[in-house]
Amino acid sequence: GQQLNQSPQSMFIQEGEDVSMNCTSSSIFNTWLWYKQDPGEGPVLLIALYKAGELTSNGRLTAQFGITRKDSFLNISASIPSDVGIYFCAGDQGAQKLVFGQGTRLTINP
Amino acid sequence: DTGVSQDPRHKITKRGQNVTFRCDPISEHNRLYWYRQTLGQGPEFLTYFQNEAQLEKSRLLSDRFSAERPKGSFSTLEIQRTEQGDSAMYLCASSSNRDRILGSGEQYFGPGTRLTVT
Repeated sequence: GQQLNQSPQSMFIQEGEDVSMNCTSSSIFNTWLWYKQDPGEGPVLLIALYKAGELTSNGRLTAQFGITRKDSFLNISASIPSDVGIYFCAGDQGAQKLVFGQGTRLTINP
Repeated sequence: DTGVSQDPRHKITKRGQNVTFRCDPISEHNRLYWYRQTLGQGPEFLTYFQNEAQLEKSRLLSDRFSAERPKGSFSTLEIQRTEQGDSAMYLCASSSNRDRILGSGEQYFGPGTRLTVT
């Protein structure tokens, strides 16, 4: 089925570094959501974006809804060990279902 | 607010057996979704309910799969005659769309049910 293109697939960084990941699609989305998933658990909602160009923060996390409505990015500043996990972008075209990216696996070296 | 809960968290079954999973959404949410996630992939949409009505089903939902939400509260997902390819994490999510015209709003996920078919 349709999926969003999420990059990078994995990241290995040092604690304290900033992180940036993005999500692109050939289709327009009305809503962009960013989730974090720990092993064996369900995704946890981090940030929701509803308007093109919107920039939203949640603590050390910042996400933007691209102007073209076909992309979004997520930044994490000053990473800490608990940021480890898999980050997923998800888009909603108004069809009441989310389309997910393949995920970005974040590993942090202390 | 206790969040979305799912039961069981893990299920191991033999091929050919039937299994049923339960999802309890956040209490004030009128929409409930089922997704399937295989290893290394993002979740994939299966079906969704608004109140008790099942409004959309994915092509992924073969005729061996059936979902219900009889009173608009909890939901069950049944898989009949399980196959090894059914092994996956089954995720339930809920949302409330009362304040938004377009889209599903913010979907909140449960912890999932990990199914292993041997």
